[in-house]
Amino acid sequence: GAVVSQHPSRVICKSGTSVKIECRSLDFQATTMFWYRQFPKQSLMLMATSNEGSKATYEQGVEKDKFLINHASLTLSTLTVTSAHPEDSSFYICSATPGTFQETQYFGPGTRLLVL
Amino acid sequence: QKEVEQNSGPLSVPEGAIASLNCTYSDRGSQSFFWYRQYSGKSPELIMFIYSNGDKEDGRFTAQLNKASQYVSLLIRDSQPSDSATYLCAVNPPNQFYFGTGTSLTVIP
Repeated sequence: GAVVSQHPSRVICKSGTSVKIECRSLDFQATTMFWYRQFPKQSLMLMATSNEGSKATYEQGVEKDKFLINHASLTLSTLTVTSAHPEDSSFYICSATPGTFQETQYFGPGTRLLVL
Repeated sequence: QKEVEQNSGPLSVPEGAIASLNCTYSDRGSQSFFWYRQYSGKSPELIMFIYSNGDKEDGRFTAQLNKASQYVSLLIRDSQPSDSATYLCAVNPPNQFYFGTGTSLTVIP
């Protein structure tokens, strides 16, 4: 149980385009989903926390207008990188929890974004 | 002071030895503690969690928690080359979730 999927697993796009990444909890309802970014050989960086039906809470320094998060249902959250630039190239990972912060986070397999 | 501190390593142990990974945290209100393993280029996967003081064993893995010392550790017995990865400690204060920066472990055949 507790499987989280992400799509796509890898995406290459041109600078200036927008990219949408989907995160789905397959066998549980995710009250809370988290979006992380990880640059090579660096630790996970939390970008934002989203709760179903409400606006996402962004970490300091993360532009909410650039990284649009929509948690439309209890099994789906999307991250849209708008007007992507090469510096946005990174490994984006979502996680989901069936409860609130007190629950275990289950991670998706990640999406590797390369912006040319 | 960081919320969660881990020695970044790298930690190298010979195959078959015990690997000991350590983590300290700052928020005494933390209630849940997790260990994740992350292979290079992959996302983290949960190894185990612990809520109560003492030891919790799962196969070759043992998590140890000491809330008075704000310390949580992970022991890996009979280490295998496949255990070579980065190990992330995560701590759960109320309404927060913090990850450490991870300890890189290499098991030498």
